[in-house]
Amino acid sequence: DGGITQSPKYLFRKEGQNVTLSCEQNLNHDAMYWYRQDPGQGLRLIYYSQIVNDFQKGDIAEGYSVSREKKESFPLTVTSAQKNPTAFYLCASTSTGGIWSRSGNTIYFGEGSWLTVV
Amino acid sequence: QKEVEQNSGPLSVPEGAIASLNCTYSDRGSQSFFWYRQYSGKSPELIMFIYSNGDKEDGRFTAQLNKASQYVSLLIRDSQPSDSATYLCAVRGSNYKLTFGKGTLLTVNP
Repeated sequence: DGGITQSPKYLFRKEGQNVTLSCEQNLNHDAMYWYRQDPGQGLRLIYYSQIVNDFQKGDIAEGYSVSREKKESFPLTVTSAQKNPTAFYLCASTSTGGIWSRSGNTIYFGEGSWLTVV
Repeated sequence: QKEVEQNSGPLSVPEGAIASLNCTYSDRGSQSFFWYRQYSGKSPELIMFIYSNGDKEDGRFTAQLNKASQYVSLLIRDSQPSDSATYLCAVRGSNYKLTFGKGTLLTVNP
């Protein structure tokens, strides 16, 4: 079955460490996204990528980095520069089909990764 | 002005009533508009999307889009306790940037 997979589901980070969250999709989607969600808050966009080898900063990119070397993979690194990284992280993907199509408007989410600073 | 704003809530309605959720957006070039439902600690689930002005109905749900006013809404008819969740409005811009609002917590009371 096609889908989007995030790992790990739970991750603990020590002060000063970088950690990487994995996001893989086998849906042949061009566009991929990373969001952060804090308790009682909506999803805030960290980075997004429309195509391989290209990505753009979202609204809260500071302290994060990404790469898009393969179409199916969009890993997120939470660097030590991110001072308050404890949150729920969601990866998503969608096709870049026309806005009139269901496929172009179906966004798939991973199950999320919980990151805690210890 | 934030890119996507939702009425902050929380919103509480009795079972069987109509729940009305509202969202405004700032980017006039936005192309597609989405309503998601999210339960605590889970990924969002798509309720419906809309891309042209007017109403779109799917079962008990109706999405309304007014591009001139930069406004999108979701009506839930015959609200059920199982509809209790956080509802997220999302907007996709011309460059495929997908931005979410903060969400509105809806509680349907039996």
